[in-house]
Amino acid sequence: QQQVKQSPQSLIVQKGGISIINCAYENTAFDYFPWYQQFPGKGPALLIAIRPDVSEKKEGRFTISFNKSAKQFSLHIMDSQPGDSATYFCAASEGPPGGGNKLTFGTGTQLKVEL
Amino acid sequence: EPEVTQTPSHQVTQMGQEVILRCVPISNHLYFYWYRQILGQKVEFLVSFYNNEISEKSEIFDDQFSVERPDGSNFTLKIRSTKLEDSAMYFCASSLGGANTGELFFGEGSRLTVL
Repeated sequence: QQQVKQSPQSLIVQKGGISIINCAYENTAFDYFPWYQQFPGKGPALLIAIRPDVSEKKEGRFTISFNKSAKQFSLHIMDSQPGDSATYFCAASEGPPGGGNKLTFGTGTQLKVEL
Repeated sequence: EPEVTQTPSHQVTQMGQEVILRCVPISNHLYFYWYRQILGQKVEFLVSFYNNEISEKSEIFDDQFSVERPDGSNFTLKIRSTKLEDSAMYFCASSLGGANTGELFFGEGSRLTVL
């Protein structure tokens, strides 16, 4: 019940295209859903996050869509660029993770944006 | 920009040996965490630490593991008797805390190889 399932495992997108990564969860107590971006040799870095009281959040080229009834959320990267090539992790927590609550991560998606 | 720093970047040890991984969190942060990532797998929560005590720990964080904040700046993870399956990238993270704070700041990780 604590799992967060993420798909696809890897994704190749042409420059300028839309990258879409999907996640699903079971634990209805999760109330914070961040996406992390990780470049090789680096730690995960927060990209964007959403609370379940909204269905969509947009920051620049990055959008989270959230479907509470389906217990699913997704990351959309518009106008994908080669610099977006990285591993993306969805995550979820009960309560804000910055307050000591644990983040449960998905399995990650390796995104490659080709020229 | 303030950052979380970790040492060593890579440590190789023999099975059964003790290992200490060190972290310097961001100076005004109140919550500290250890996560680990086995090669090619998802990031997993180990422990969170606040006000000089563990606030939450996972089932992975058994008696072999301990954390300590020995002074005002360092945060350490000790593995008493390493096992082959402890080989992983260990990430330290810190957060400011507070009810509305979601962001964790991760270090670049310490790669532990147990032979």
